Amino acid sequence: DVKVTQSSRYLVKRTGEKVFLECVQDMDHENMFWYRQDPGLGLRLIYFSYDVKMKEKGDIPEGYSVSREKKERFSLILESASTNQTSMYLCASSFPPGVQGVHYGYTFGSGTRLTVV
Amino acid sequence: GEDVEQSLFLSVREGDSSVINCTYTDSSSTYLYWYKQEPGAGLQLLTYIFSNMDMKQDQRLTVLLNKKDKHLSLRIADTQTGDSAIYFCAESPGYQKVTFGTGTKLQVIP
Repeated sequence: DVKVTQSSRYLVKRTGEKVFLECVQDMDHENMFWYRQDPGLGLRLIYFSYDVKMKEKGDIPEGYSVSREKKERFSLILESASTNQTSMYLCASSFPPGVQGVHYGYTFGSGTRLTVV
Repeated sequence: GEDVEQSLFLSVREGDSSVINCTYTDSSSTYLYWYKQEPGAGLQLLTYIFSNMDMKQDQRLTVLLNKKDKHLSLRIADTQTGDSAIYFCAESPGYQKVTFGTGTKLQVIP
């Protein structure tokens, strides 16, 4: 089974701290994504990456950055955490078109619930 | 831009059928998906359908697609308490980016 592992299920950080959320996948997927999930707002795309050292801004990149030094690992960085970044963060991965199967569905990690106090 | 809309909440009795509806705006959508999210967990891909199909059935799940109206539905037959979750509709034009709906919370009453 494809596995996407997020390093922490729950995190509590203080305002102004630098926060790293780690995501590792074991299926050699080229594409990786970071979303945040908030009640009533669904999933919002923060950043994504189609290859090592590549990154693209999603819909809400402000206050975040990412790092993709290795194919299997995609890190989300909160440079200076703020209370409005309290949320559930979801990492996902997928193959690009034409490589595997036909539906390009995402595989998600279990999520990291971050609370900034 | 693309938009995917769902109602926020659905309540059904155990043993009844559940129907979760979704509308989307992107006419180039090629793949449409249903994901399930159980409490405290990530999203799990339940099923998907290509835009050239009208229907897909997988055990208790039936997906219906009306491409003309850009309407997608998920029917769960004989709904069980274990089906209580949030269900996300999603669409993709066939390359990397997938657009998700806001999710429908299904409550199954015993």
